[in-house]
Amino acid sequence: RKEVEQDPGPFNVPEGATVAFNCTYSNSASQSFFWYRQDCRKEPKLLMSVYSSGNEDGRFTAQLNRASQYISLLIRDSKLSDSATYLCVVNKDSGYSTLTFGKGTMLLVSP
Amino acid sequence: NAGVTQTPKFRILKIGQSMTLQCAQDMNHNYMYWYRQDPGMGLKLIYYSVGAGITDKGEVPNGYNVSRSTTEDFPLRLELAAPSQTSVYFCASSYAEYSNQPQHFGDGTRLSIL
Repeated sequence: RKEVEQDPGPFNVPEGATVAFNCTYSNSASQSFFWYRQDCRKEPKLLMSVYSSGNEDGRFTAQLNRASQYISLLIRDSKLSDSATYLCVVNKDSGYSTLTFGKGTMLLVSP
Repeated sequence: NAGVTQTPKFRILKIGQSMTLQCAQDMNHNYMYWYRQDPGMGLKLIYYSVGAGITDKGEVPNGYNVSRSTTEDFPLRLELAAPSQTSVYFCASSYAEYSNQPQHFGDGTRLSIL
């Protein structure tokens, strides 16, 4: 299994739709999980951290399943401005360690 | 709010030339990182630093060098540019003794080696 694996997409959805992305990771010792957003030819920006109990930020909900080693991102009521690539990010090991970035899942929201 | 500043934004080099990519942050972050991102690929860690005077290799360090003489600055040097180093380079920083702190990125340097 790759360290961090994502479906590259693209996911094409209409405005207002609900869309979900999954990401799997290989290291069961990983402790920190994030979703980043990257617009075309721009730098990655933190969207949200992912906590064990799951967390929500407005239209965005992140979930962690440690047993199956995957994290998910749910976007409700999609906006045109949500069109971007969403990067799944996981730390390599417990304690301090560097981060591993997935290749990203592309989302295209159409009118 | 400057955050992480990278210069230059674009550069074209000839094979064999050298250059330094500059990165500075004004958030008093102790951790800094250099990544490269090739088209359609994820970010690959080149080097990182956990504080002034300390640097470590990442996943793809060959062909690059770094130094960290101050907390604020973390330059990346290419000594003998090769076409394989054509990429977008991102510098990032974090205030992290623990990796649950997010990384903040500069807006990148687009480098072409011809």
